[in-house]
Amino acid sequence: QKEVEQNSGPLSVPEGAIASLNCTYSDRGSQSFFWYRQYSGKSPELIMSIYSNGDKEDGRFTAQLNKASQYVSLLIRDSQPSDSATYLCAVYPSGGSYIPTFGRGTSLIVHP
Amino acid sequence: GAVVSQHPSRVICKSGTSVKIECRSLDFQATTMFWYRQFPKKSLMLMATSNEGSKATYEQGVEKDKFLINHASLTLSTLTVTSAHPEDSSFYICSAREGLAGVGDEQFFGPGTRLTVL
Repeated sequence: QKEVEQNSGPLSVPEGAIASLNCTYSDRGSQSFFWYRQYSGKSPELIMSIYSNGDKEDGRFTAQLNKASQYVSLLIRDSQPSDSATYLCAVYPSGGSYIPTFGRGTSLIVHP
Repeated sequence: GAVVSQHPSRVICKSGTSVKIECRSLDFQATTMFWYRQFPKKSLMLMATSNEGSKATYEQGVEKDKFLINHASLTLSTLTVTSAHPEDSSFYICSAREGLAGVGDEQFFGPGTRLTVL
């Protein structure tokens, strides 16, 4: 069973702080990693994808991938109350499967 | 990003009736579409994967005769919940992907359909 683990939270940060969301995965051969944001009652929306070790930045979001340690993280700088949502990590497993595995998501609360 | 629509966004039906949900990719051709179900405060649960022109692949525990999936074209997939019962009430979400697999093939989600069976 290929697993993707996330702390369910909630992670509570003050407005303006950096929110750090983490995701670990069990399949060492995984190549593609995605972060989605899901507001309550809404469907997930894609935030970022990352495929290579290191950091990838897009606006206030930075995805970090460390394949040796099998984790991927998402940093949100200058957190805003509008960032309050559940963040889902998705990992494509190795072995030719084209079905991604989603983590359970981490609930983020940004308080004013 | 790519746009995926779903219709209807909300449906209320009586127990025993069938409900059809449509999922469309509006600005790309979706080789693969996924159907998920999500209960309140729970994680996404993949129900089935469908490729255009072939039969859907259902996840373990999902009844294929109850949840009929048709992916007849590269822009449209439908999920029909047959003989719906109150326990089928949930948030149904489709997603679409342009390619079959591999790097760069993100999934884009539709807005979801909230089904309530009375």
